[in-house]
Amino acid sequence: LAKTTQPISMDSYEGQEVNITCSHNNIATNDYITWYQQFPSQGPRFIIQGYKTKVTNEVASLFIPADRKSSTLSLPRVSLSDTAVYYCLVGQNAGNNRKLIWGLGTSLAVNP
Amino acid sequence: ETGVTQTPRHLVMGMTNKKSLKCEQHLGHNAMYWYKQSAKKPLELMFVYNFKEQTENNSVPSRFSPECPNSSHLFLHLHTLQPEDSALYLCASSQGPAGRYNEQFFGPGTRLTVL
Repeated sequence: LAKTTQPISMDSYEGQEVNITCSHNNIATNDYITWYQQFPSQGPRFIIQGYKTKVTNEVASLFIPADRKSSTLSLPRVSLSDTAVYYCLVGQNAGNNRKLIWGLGTSLAVNP
Repeated sequence: ETGVTQTPRHLVMGMTNKKSLKCEQHLGHNAMYWYKQSAKKPLELMFVYNFKEQTENNSVPSRFSPECPNSSHLFLHLHTLQPEDSALYLCASSQGPAGRYNEQFFGPGTRLTVL
């Protein structure tokens, strides 16, 4: 089963670009990579999902190299409200079930 | 609001009590999940239901008993819990099995404390 590894914490300042990298060396061929955001006292919320190369939506970009052993979530021009925990999720097929492997999350602190 | 509600939001119980957590989704989804979130540990997937049928049980102790009477409601029945079971219990739903294009929508969670 794939295991993901992320930095435990990161610090940034308002207006900066933040890049959070997740390692998933054992990712399977059919797996997609998904990132979630979680604020205190709330459940995680979907940010972005990708398979390879680059995906962009209105809040973030996701960069995935050709070997797919890692991925980088990029948050452009962060604000104080982006302070949260960010999780990297790799979907894994295991027989007839899907084993959902979550990372420990990266706690991002955005400072004024 | 994510369309997934959980009650109660906070629960304190003794080890001999029996209680239940409730989850309801208003999104018309077919899959529902229970997760356990403890400090300094990854989110742990506990149970998965697809179309009311349990499709996954990740070696969860029998003191946790799920129930899915219909595709909109999910319960987690608790009995004779241990202090180490104290955690945030999250419910989620998705249109289909979680993965590509099936993002999960999470409720706010129930903060459980076992004394």
